[in-house]
Amino acid sequence: DAKTTQPPSMDCAEGRAANLPCNHSTISGNEYVYWYRQIHSQGPQYIIHGLKNNETNEMASLIITEDRKSSTLILPHATLRDTAVYYCIVRVGGGTSYGKLTFGQGTILTVHP
Amino acid sequence: DAGVTQSPTHLIKTRGQQVTLRCSPKSGHDTVSWYQQALGQGPQFIFQYYEEEERQRGNFPDRFSGHQFPNYSSELNVNALLLGDSALYLCASSSRLQGVWTEAFFGQGTRLTVV
Repeated sequence: DAKTTQPPSMDCAEGRAANLPCNHSTISGNEYVYWYRQIHSQGPQYIIHGLKNNETNEMASLIITEDRKSSTLILPHATLRDTAVYYCIVRVGGGTSYGKLTFGQGTILTVHP
Repeated sequence: DAGVTQSPTHLIKTRGQQVTLRCSPKSGHDTVSWYQQALGQGPQFIFQYYEEEERQRGNFPDRFSGHQFPNYSSELNVNALLLGDSALYLCASSSRLQGVWTEAFFGQGTRLTVV
C-alpha cells in the first residue's frame, strides 16, 4: 500500500471549514483514498473514500487531484465534536488485500470555539 | 444494527499470562481484521480472517494468534504477555461487494493493560 503524508496537527475555528491535506504521490491506479477519524479512546470511524472523482457525503467532501497524488478532506462546518485524529489511507480496492488498512500518524485536528 | 462489538472493554493481565479478546462483526460482514494501537500511535495491522482462515498477517510474533468461527465472529489470542503488549486492540469488519472491499467498520476496542 502507498505511503501517505499528513501534517501532524491543524487548528480550525468552530463553524468554519476544515481542510485536511494528504499527499500520496506513490498511489497506484487500483488504490482508493480513504479517510477515517478517531476520537479519543474510541475506534476509528469511516468518513469517506474515493478513487479519482470528488466525493461528498453527509459528513465531508473529498477532493482528489487529477494526478491522484494528493487529496483534501473538507469538513464544511466544523464543530467541537470534530476534534479528532484524522487518518488518510490508501488501500487496494479488491484482490487479495482483504481490505487491510495501513495507518500513519494522522493529523490531530483541534476545533476551537 | 449493533455494529462491531468487542469484549471485554477493559482487561488487566499479568506478564506471562494469556488473553483472549472477542469480536462480533457488523451484520452482513464476513471479514474480520485485528489491529493493535499503542498510546499515541496509529493502529497497526495484526492479521485478517476470511472464510475461517488467516489471510494476511502484519509484523507480529507467533504469540499473537486468532480464529474465526462459522458465524464470522473472531477471537484474538495473545500468549506469554509482555508489558509492551499493553494497548488498545481494535477489531474491524468488512466484506466484498462486486469484487471491491467495503469500508471497514471498527469496534470500540479492548484496552489491555499488562502489569
